[in-house]
Amino acid sequence: GAGVSQSPSNKVTEKGKDVELRCDPISGHTALYWYRQSLGQGLEFLIYFQGNSAPDKSGLPSDRFSAERTGGSVSTLTIQRTQQEDSAVYLCASRRNEGANYEQYFGPGTRLTVT
Amino acid sequence: AQRVTQPEKLLSVFKGAPVELKCNYSYSGSPELFWYVQYSRQRLQLLLRHISRESIKGFTADLNKGETSFHLKKPFAQEEDSAMYYCALSGRASGTYKYIFGTGTRLKVLA
Repeated sequence: GAGVSQSPSNKVTEKGKDVELRCDPISGHTALYWYRQSLGQGLEFLIYFQGNSAPDKSGLPSDRFSAERTGGSVSTLTIQRTQQEDSAVYLCASRRNEGANYEQYFGPGTRLTVT
Repeated sequence: AQRVTQPEKLLSVFKGAPVELKCNYSYSGSPELFWYVQYSRQRLQLLLRHISRESIKGFTADLNKGETSFHLKKPFAQEEDSAMYYCALSGRASGTYKYIFGTGTRLKVLA
């Protein structure tokens, strides 16, 4: 079946502009996660959803970052007034549910470059 | 605090040598432990999980609750094992489900 997809795959934007990143999880997966991966760095947790609710948004770095999920499926991560330090690969992952035993399935990522 | 520690950012070994990627965790309950791998230009994917007690691509990982470790081992490294490896734990703490990744270890297998 189809895996996790993300769009766009690449995004170049000017500093100060807003961007929206999209994630389509595996059908039926109720848990969805957003991460950021800077060059040569590890994974930085941003937020996770169970259904349409976000029980943990502790990783969002500032109030310029927000995310929503509708219909228990697609999620969008919005970055307002982008800064150069926002440049990174943004990864999305989904899980069958938030229970401990389930693995995460990752998307290919969106590479964001802020000029 | 819940935490996953991978002390080595980079590990270089020669082909055919044993490899051990270290992972230590701090967690108040009984978490599930996972190893993920990211090969060059591929997406991050599950390598193995503790609960399955499996060996994947020659890799194994033993959960040591006394030492709170989940080290990844392979007796004979191959060049195709070169990748970024992440240790992760999943569990529930303070009423919230947590999924925590370590900072990753880049493995380079030299010819």
